[in-house]
Amino acid sequence: QSVLTQPPSLSAAAGQKVTISCSGGSSNIGSNYVSWYQQLPGTAPKLLIYEFTKRPSGIPDRFSGSKSGTSATLAITGLQTGDEADYYCGTWDSILKIYFFGSGTRVTVL
Amino acid sequence: QVQLVESGGGVVQPGGSLRLSCAASGFAFSRYGMHWVRQAPGKGLEWVAFIWYDGNNNDYADSVKGRFTISRDISKNTLYLQMNSLRAEDTAVYFCAREYRSGFFDPDYWGQGTLVTVSS
Repeated sequence: QSVLTQPPSLSAAAGQKVTISCSGGSSNIGSNYVSWYQQLPGTAPKLLIYEFTKRPSGIPDRFSGSKSGTSATLAITGLQTGDEADYYCGTWDSILKIYFFGSGTRVTVL
Repeated sequence: QVQLVESGGGVVQPGGSLRLSCAASGFAFSRYGMHWVRQAPGKGLEWVAFIWYDGNNNDYADSVKGRFTISRDISKNTLYLQMNSLRAEDTAVYFCAREYRSGFFDPDYWGQGTLVTVSS
């Protein structure tokens, strides 16, 4: 059971926007950076966002991140069929000394 | 370019042991902390262990503490995970991953994973 809560699934039509929430607490999201990962079926996770809002080289600006208090959000605009994947948030917990991944959100493009 | 290649997975009986390796290349291995992360079939990502860049500190998930040991050999640019007293619930694909910046924990580059199956 993760301390980071994500919605299990979301769906939207191609071209639309989805937002994925990641809710935590003061010792994790409230104290440390959050990253977001995309995992396509049968592949390793891929870093999409780090330090709440930054994109690694090569990640399109359709993917964006934000933070509010002890929650973080990943937004995907201009949804494409290739965006169908599982998305995970992740952060360190300063008290538990454990890295947590969120429970994961499966995004479906209608 | 950064490359991480895991090996050592396989089928092992409950109570048995296995050592996973992760060969790193394309970056200064001694300057980065490293993670092991696993994913049981059809399940989400579960963090397993982290070793600091200098190898002097390790952190473990409660589910593996006392059974698994993370270590690194700087001279071989290799990360290890020694897994003892294996249980059926340890069955998973195991990924190694590099922290994106020393002291900041979040993984950036990941290996392709190696499958561990614990079954009699």
